[in-house]
Amino acid sequence: GAGVSQSPSNKVTEKGKDVELRCDPISGHTALYWYRQRLGQGLEFLIYFQGNSAPDKSGLPSDRFSAERTGESVSTLTIQRTQQEDSAVYLCASSPRTSGGASRTDTQYFGPGTRLTVL
Amino acid sequence: AQKITQTQPGMFVQEKEAVTLDCTYDTSDPSYGLFWYKQPSSGEMIFLIYQGSYDQQNATEGRYSLNFQKARKSANLVISASQLGDSAMYFCAMREGPWNYGGSQGNLIFGKGTKLSVKP
Repeated sequence: GAGVSQSPSNKVTEKGKDVELRCDPISGHTALYWYRQRLGQGLEFLIYFQGNSAPDKSGLPSDRFSAERTGESVSTLTIQRTQQEDSAVYLCASSPRTSGGASRTDTQYFGPGTRLTVL
Repeated sequence: AQKITQTQPGMFVQEKEAVTLDCTYDTSDPSYGLFWYKQPSSGEMIFLIYQGSYDQQNATEGRYSLNFQKARKSANLVISASQLGDSAMYFCAMREGPWNYGGSQGNLIFGKGTKLSVKP
C-alpha cells in the first residue's frame, strides 16, 4: 500500500508569513508524529497524535507552532509568523495502533518530509 | 544528558566489507525499543531494524544485525557485505515505555547520526 505522504515537498516563505504543512499517514495507522530536522542534525520530536486522545504537544518549540489531525487521517502542522530559525525539514511519521509495551508494531514509518526555507 | 549517543560522526568502509555503527543509550525504563533508520541524501527516513528490551536474541534483517548488549546499554548496528547504496546517514533511536493507548509517551528519541561512506 501507499506510504506516508507529505506536501509540499519544498516551501520557501518570507519571514513573518504563516505556513501549513500536510501529512497523509499510512491507511489504518492510528498514531501520527511530527518531527523537525535541522541541517546536519538528528530529529526533534514536535507533536504526537494517537487516535482520538488529546495530542502530546510537549515537543512544540513555541506557541507559533500548532497541529491538527482529523480523526485518524490527515494532519496539518501550522507555523505562524515564521522565523529564520524555523528553516528545517519537517518529517511526519505514522505507526499502527500503539501497543501497551515495547513492540515492533510501534515502528514509525516516515514520509519524505517538507523542506521549509524562511528567507 | 543525551539519551542516545552516536560517537562516530563519519565512517568509511570498503565495499563488500562489514561495518559496525555504534549507539549507546540511557534510560531507567525497563521496557523500551531501539530502532535504526537510514537516511540517504534524498532525505527519506528508512526503517532498518528493531530491538525490544526484552528480546532474548539479537535482531537481524537481511544484511543488518543489531549487537544488543543490554548491560552496557549499547545497540550497535552491523552491516555486512557493504554496498555502494549503503552510503547514507544512519540514526539510532529509542522509544521508552510503557506507552499505553492514549498515553503521552511514544515519540522516538534520536541520536545525531553517523555518516557512512562506502568506497568502491
